[in-house]
This record gives sequence, structure tokens and C-alpha cells, in this order.
Amino acid sequence: KQEVTQIPAALSVPEGENLVLNCSFTDSAIYNLQWFRQDPGKGLTSLLLIQSSQREQTSGRLNASLDKSSGRSTLYIAASQPGDSATYLCAVRPRASSNYKLTFGKGTLLTVNP
Amino acid sequence: SAVISQKPSRDICQRGTSLTIQCQVDSQVTMMFWYRQQPGQSLTLIATANQGSEATYESGFVIDKFPISRPNLTFSTLTVSNMSPEDSSIYLCSFINQETQYFGPGTRLLVL
Repeated sequence: KQEVTQIPAALSVPEGENLVLNCSFTDSAIYNLQWFRQDPGKGLTSLLLIQSSQREQTSGRLNASLDKSSGRSTLYIAASQPGDSATYLCAVRPRASSNYKLTFGKGTLLTVNP
Repeated sequence: SAVISQKPSRDICQRGTSLTIQCQVDSQVTMMFWYRQQPGQSLTLIATANQGSEATYESGFVIDKFPISRPNLTFSTLTVSNMSPEDSSIYLCSFINQETQYFGPGTRLLVL
């Protein structure tokens, strides 16, 4: 059974700092991994999708890496801003092409202080 | 990307009653998914809904408790039946487009 763990559970940083969020998963047989952000009282917003054959993806100040063999992904946020404050979730999709079930971590609550 | 909306956005219900949540996507999608996010927990898949067929439920979820309809390629409903306080959660619908999964804004349900 796939399990996804996110560390730390909460993180508070001053504005402008670069930071790394961690995600680990127990079963390396994944199809892809996706990072989301969830704002209080809102749904999930997709940030980055990494296919199992890829090592990293970048979008603006965000960079996500994937090391499938070790069961790890990191989300790097450069020059953090107060608007980045949210809960960040990672989710993995299993390798079987007909299986679309995502397994989520519990998330990292990020607070960026002005 | 397609826009996905849910109604209601939140509700407070009495135990023993039922609530139907609606999910609308502004383009046709093959599969829609219903997830639950209990307080302090990660999201859990309830079921997958395909148009024209019965929904497929994950272990621990049954049709009598969470009946789902999928009348066309842009719409689905999830009913939470005979509610108890343990059903207090955020319920989210979702779809896949070009490998990326998209989620609705969620329905925040509190059962008293």
C-alpha cells in the first residue's frame, strides 16, 4: 500500500528566503507525481506535474525534483513571498495506466512572513 | 484548462439527513473523481465516476452511503446519505486533463 509522507508538517520563513519542501513515498512504482497548493477555504491548485521518467520540472519560482528510486520529491520555492503562504500537497499516481487514484500526503503548511 | 465548480460551497446539516453535492466542468471529461478530506487528514479517493456506467468505489466506501450520478460528460453529483458527525469533511470533485489532475473548490460539510 502506497504511503506518502511530507516533512515538515509546518514551516514559517521570512519573506525572500529560499525553501525546500519534502515528499517521500514508499512504493517507487509510480506513473507520476503532482504538487498542489491549497489555500484556506479553497480547493487544490495544481503547481507541477513530474512524469516518472523525468527528474525535474520548473514553473517560475518553483522547481520540483523527483528521485523515483529513492522514493523522494522536493519542491523548491525561490525568493518566497507572503502570497506563497498555503498548504502544499504532493500526490503520487500508481504505475498501472488504468489506475488514476492519487495517494496524497498530509501536506506542509507554509507561512511566509513579511 | 477547464473550469470546475461545485455547489454548495459549504453546508451545515443535521445527522440522519442527506446532502447532494453537484460538480460541473465547462468541458467534456471522460472520468470524474470524488475525494474526501477529513479534518487534519490527507485527501482520500471515494469513487471514480464514468458517464453511462456505475461508479467504481474505493475500499471503505459503499454506494448506499455515497451514491453518485454521472448523467453526462460535464456533470456529476455525490450524495452523502444518512449523515453522522464523522462525515464532516471537505468533499472535492476532480478530473484529469493531459495527465494533470484538477480539483474543484470543494464543499465544506459540517454535520451536527
